[in-house]
Amino acid sequence: QKEVEQDPGPLSVPEGAIVSLNCTYSNSAFQYFMWYRQYSRKGPELLMYTYSSGNKEDGRFTAQVDKSSKYISLFIRDSQPSDSATYLCAVLGSSASKIIFGSGTRLSIRP
Amino acid sequence: KAGVTQTPRYLIKTRGQQVTLSCSPISGHRSVSWYQQTPGQGLQFLFEYFSETQRNKGNFPGRFSGRQFSNSRSEMNVSTLELGDSALYLCASSPGTRGNEQFFGPGTRLTVL
Repeated sequence: QKEVEQDPGPLSVPEGAIVSLNCTYSNSAFQYFMWYRQYSRKGPELLMYTYSSGNKEDGRFTAQVDKSSKYISLFIRDSQPSDSATYLCAVLGSSASKIIFGSGTRLSIRP
Repeated sequence: KAGVTQTPRYLIKTRGQQVTLSCSPISGHRSVSWYQQTPGQGLQFLFEYFSETQRNKGNFPGRFSGRQFSNSRSEMNVSTLELGDSALYLCASSPGTRGNEQFFGPGTRLTVL
């Protein structure tokens, strides 16, 4: 079983729709949760970074962590074509620095 | 602040050769981590260097090695290249304390022929 599971998609939605991206993880010891966005042929860009359970909002993006069910979500409101990218969920492992990534979800926003 | 820089951006090598990739972290950051990204395996952790010492290591063969210099710049080396080493190699920069965010560079795309 992978430590972080993510539906690879692809996911295609019309412009303006609310997008919901989700991941599950297996180890209850994980405490730091991240979402990265990666455009084609670029490095991952940190979007959201949260510690423990709860919600965090940044503009059109909301990250949600439910530690009881080991579930991570990213919501994108008023989606734009420029949001088309691969979204990677990630957790910080038990050591100080090792990030464990999900496989990424390819998202396409149709104009 | 300048972001993470990686050189070269693209590299083509043949099997059996060796390669050295370079990463300059964000100014003030002391930790550099390296990741390999392939379509089949996704993003996988290679190793992390902090204050010139390897602090953490992933599950890659000994052909993959790295080092960090006193100015926090890091290099990774792959010896005896195999076709399966073709990948995007990414480095990530962090201040180095547990829980700090990691910021990625643009990557070096290595193709092994």
